[in-house]
Amino acid sequence: GQNIDQPTEMTATEGAIVQINCTYQTSGFNGLFWYQQHAGEAPTFLSYNVLDGLEEKGRFSSFLSRSKGYSYLLLKELQMKDSASYLCAVILRQAGTALIFGKGTTLSVSS
Amino acid sequence: EAGVTQFPSHSVIEKGQTVTLRCDPISGHDNLYWYRRVMGKEIKFLLHFVKESKQDESGMPNNRFLAERTGGTYSTLKVQPAELEDSGVYFCASKQGANNEQFFGPGTRLTVL
Repeated sequence: GQNIDQPTEMTATEGAIVQINCTYQTSGFNGLFWYQQHAGEAPTFLSYNVLDGLEEKGRFSSFLSRSKGYSYLLLKELQMKDSASYLCAVILRQAGTALIFGKGTTLSVSS
Repeated sequence: EAGVTQFPSHSVIEKGQTVTLRCDPISGHDNLYWYRRVMGKEIKFLLHFVKESKQDESGMPNNRFLAERTGGTYSTLKVQPAELEDSGVYFCASKQGANNEQFFGPGTRLTVL
């Protein structure tokens, strides 16, 4: 079966840097997404990685290692508004374009 | 550009009743997805439309669930009859063509009592 693991909860302080890890054991991996979801709202797209390496987008960066089945989302200069759930999701070749999600990591940022 | 909208935002029904959820994708998006999150679990795929055709319905839990997308615009997901285990948040997402990013709606929270 397909398995995607992320930590359940993380805490950090304003201005800090936090790294949220995601490991996956899947067959036919075709790409990995990170979404942010505030409580009661729609998940919003943060990043998509298909090749190994780091993709930087403002305060957020995402890294992928296909050989290790590993990704992380790096959030810099944390702000209170970054408190949210961060969802790791993969796309498999044989599954078309449906996303397979991990359970999500709830990040709490305090002042 | 308006985002993906879903109606209703919340629905509370009794076991055995019928409920219909609606999703309006972003205008022009030919791909439409339904997902569900049961409490304590991950978001799980239900089905995928391309225009009005069902591309993949491998995630539909059983025949009490019926999804339609007549005309290739909005979609409905009907649960009949609803069971307690159907409670959860139902998300809809859409995307355009071969683009990777799926845009999600805010979800419908369904509670079956």
